[in-house]
Amino acid sequence: GIQVEQSPPDLILQEGANSTLRCNFSDSVNNLQWFHQNPWGQLINLFYIPSGTKQNGRLSATTVATERYSLLYISSSQTTDSGVYFCAGGTSGTYKYIFGTGTRLKVLA
Amino acid sequence: SQTIHQWPATLVQPVGSPLSLECTVEGTSNPNLYWYRQAAGRGLQLLFYSVGIGQISSEVPQNLSASRPQDRQFILSSKKLLLSDSGFYLCAWSGEHTGELFFGEGSRLTVL
Repeated sequence: GIQVEQSPPDLILQEGANSTLRCNFSDSVNNLQWFHQNPWGQLINLFYIPSGTKQNGRLSATTVATERYSLLYISSSQTTDSGVYFCAGGTSGTYKYIFGTGTRLKVLA
Repeated sequence: SQTIHQWPATLVQPVGSPLSLECTVEGTSNPNLYWYRQAAGRGLQLLFYSVGIGQISSEVPQNLSASRPQDRQFILSSKKLLLSDSGFYLCAWSGEHTGELFFGEGSRLTVL
């Protein structure tokens, strides 16, 4: 099955710093999402991005499907950005989304 | 708009007791439904998914089972809980023809 690798596993930033999170897939996927898990465990949808680039405020994401990776950019980080960021991918024919192990982000005031 | 709800939010159960977690989706029809489990400090593991009523696919051999008695209802069950069943259980749905996943609030299970 598909393997999903996320890096870095842990990240500590000062408020206002920028960061890039990476997600690599072992095989091609045609469904790809980024999530933020808040301290209460809730999974919040950030981007559905099987290919291309999207932006939402201080966050943006880019997926290069042919090279099987996706990047999540966080600019001007805030303490509320803290939590765990997951990427997940799958193929529509199998209906399965496989998750990476996450990047644990802590933003210090 | 579509919403997903699951309950109970928290549950503390003794070893050997039964389990029933319920998830319902509103505002859509024929959704694909999923149960994931997250152990403390870990990623999400897909347990079951369903593409229609009565159609359940199991991803991991375990002490749990799933059922889909109605189009928008997904139930996770166990006859006898084990300590290793403790974790955070998340229900999710995606559209019949679209891939984006949406999660419920989660159910935190502690088996003592």
